[in-house]
Amino acid sequence: EAGVTQFPSHSVIEKGQTVTLRCDPISGHDNLYWYRRVMGKEIKFLLHFVKESKQDESGMPNNRFLAERTGGTYSTLKVQPAELEDSGVYFCASSQFQGPYGYTFGSGTRLTVV
Amino acid sequence: AQSVSQHNHHVILSEAASLELGCNYSYGGTVNLFWYVQYPGQHLQLLLKYFSGDPLVKGIKGFEAEFIKSKFSFNLRKPSVQWSDTAEYFCAVNGRNSGGYQKVTFGTGTKLQVIP
Repeated sequence: EAGVTQFPSHSVIEKGQTVTLRCDPISGHDNLYWYRRVMGKEIKFLLHFVKESKQDESGMPNNRFLAERTGGTYSTLKVQPAELEDSGVYFCASSQFQGPYGYTFGSGTRLTVV
Repeated sequence: AQSVSQHNHHVILSEAASLELGCNYSYGGTVNLFWYVQYPGQHLQLLLKYFSGDPLVKGIKGFEAEFIKSKFSFNLRKPSVQWSDTAEYFCAVNGRNSGGYQKVTFGTGTKLQVIP
């Protein structure tokens, strides 16, 4: 079984530019989650898709962040325009069911805004 | 709201030493608890999980954790660490409310360094 795939693995962009991160969940996993870890801090929830619908986007920091999951397959997270404080590691995870099952995580995208 | 505290941010041990990483959570309802591990250069992996039943949970690579409801704790233990256990360890909680399961909340992580 292929795991959760994220790309790019690293991205360095200048402040004010746009970056799009992509996540391909495990095939058949309806639930897709985005998390972010800013340097040395906890892994924070951003949002949760069930298929193509946003079930919970309470963790999205502001309207510079836009997440989509067209067709309920892969998801993109766009940051526009990027700010210095957006730097961190963005994790994607997927699960087949909601509930206490734990997630399968991707390897993350390290975003550096300079 | 649920929260997770990991009090040890950086732990250094010699090989064969015993390990205990603290984790306390805050949530008023039913919880499910997890430990995730991130080895250098790798992605987050599930180490073990507690759903219900026996509060002593055994995971991969000789790790175990004990759920103590009265203390709101879920500490991770290993009797004898190896150099290959060097990694960052994250405690996480997934609470269940009337509307279903909340999102998983992570602690800040504990970096474990095992010295050969």
